[in-house]
Amino acid sequence: AQSVAQPEDQVNVAEGNPLTVKCTYSVSGNPYLFWYVQYPNRGLQFLLKYITGDNLVKGSYGFEAEFNKSQTSFHLKKPSALVSDSALYFCAVRDNAGNMLTFGGGTRLMVKP
Amino acid sequence: NAGVTQTPKFQVLKTGQSMTLQCAQDMNHNSMYWYRQDPGMGLRLIYYSASEGTTDKGEVPNGYNVSRLNKREFSLRLESAAPSQTSVYFCASSETWAGIWYEQYFGPGTRLTVT
Repeated sequence: AQSVAQPEDQVNVAEGNPLTVKCTYSVSGNPYLFWYVQYPNRGLQFLLKYITGDNLVKGSYGFEAEFNKSQTSFHLKKPSALVSDSALYFCAVRDNAGNMLTFGGGTRLMVKP
Repeated sequence: NAGVTQTPKFQVLKTGQSMTLQCAQDMNHNSMYWYRQDPGMGLRLIYYSASEGTTDKGEVPNGYNVSRLNKREFSLRLESAAPSQTSVYFCASSETWAGIWYEQYFGPGTRLTVT
């Protein structure tokens, strides 16, 4: 069975500093990896995905993620955080044979001015 | 282009009551999904429909039924609500093409409380 771990419930960062939100996964076969963001009282919004190819994936709002196969990780990064980036972030994985997307428990990002 | 819409936005039920959550998408997507979101547990898949005319169980299907009414609409029914079904419910849709499953687009959610 596939699984996703987001080891930090909350990440605090000062505005202008780089941020990292961690994600590790377990899946049989090649993974399809996704990051979503959820703002208060809203549905999830797609940020970026890794299917194949370049290990560094660029997405919306200046976010990027690095796929590391040996460490089974897909950490979300941004060079310079904004207060408006404060939200709940979810990592998700799907194997290339299955139909279900498995989500991590979410990490709350707090960016302080 | 409204994307994925859900009705109602809020609902309070008493134990044993039934209700249907409605979901519609206007993106001509083949696949649709129902999730529930509980604090600290991320999203868990209840049911999904890979294409019109098919439905399959997800991770937590007990207590729920679904209907893929047509390509646009996918409803979730609680036949006899229980307090454990208090949650926020999200509908999502995605395109599938040549065996590749693309990112999912989510509705705004339905907050359900069962007393």
